[in-house]
Amino acid sequence: SQQGEEDPQALSIQEGENATMNCSYKTSINNLQWYRQNSGRGLVHLILIRSNEREKHSGRLRVTLDTSKKSSSLLITASRAADTASYFCATDPYNNDMRFGAGTRLTVKP
Amino acid sequence: GAGVSQSPRYKVAKRGQDVALRCDPISGHVSLFWYQQALGQGPEFLTYFQNEAQLDKSGLPSDRFFAERPEGSVSTLKIQRTQQEDSAVYLCASSLGGSSSYNEQFFGPGTRLTVL
Repeated sequence: SQQGEEDPQALSIQEGENATMNCSYKTSINNLQWYRQNSGRGLVHLILIRSNEREKHSGRLRVTLDTSKKSSSLLITASRAADTASYFCATDPYNNDMRFGAGTRLTVKP
Repeated sequence: GAGVSQSPRYKVAKRGQDVALRCDPISGHVSLFWYQQALGQGPEFLTYFQNEAQLDKSGLPSDRFFAERPEGSVSTLKIQRTQQEDSAVYLCASSLGGSSSYNEQFFGPGTRLTVL
């Protein structure tokens, strides 16, 4: 069973626009991670945010975490065609069963 | 250095056939994970090793699935008597530390298994 649920399931935007994806989860966590997966490839780690952090930045990425609402968001600013991919949130690998959501499929049109 | 590698990249099996999928983690990585990813879904956890010890196999869907990591490096996921519902991409990931370490996982490209 999957712990995280991403919203929306699919998102289509124009190059240069911002993209926001949300993730909700069910149980307490130690940390939450976001991954990207290009078509037919493995997952690439984007960013990790710990449960005592509220916001984190990495380049054009901004992640927020609200543990009271059990939710996180990933913002990609100034999107590029190369950002086209599926984005997954995942929680707690060291509960030994990192749980991924079903992902948000982002399409950035040039 | 090299990332996580998996072989074969693609495997077609007839129903009932046994298959073995290999994962070469990043050298020195303590932890190794296997996931199953169905089409259009996120990865589902299968099992976890810390060095050669299989600490969690709660995600293995049936006793037809077996994983090992005998020397704490390379791992093999074996599926016996494959069924059509086993068709999926099998992902392997490794991470540097154990439970108290920064736990970014590095993923391999996956093995796409198709059972006919």
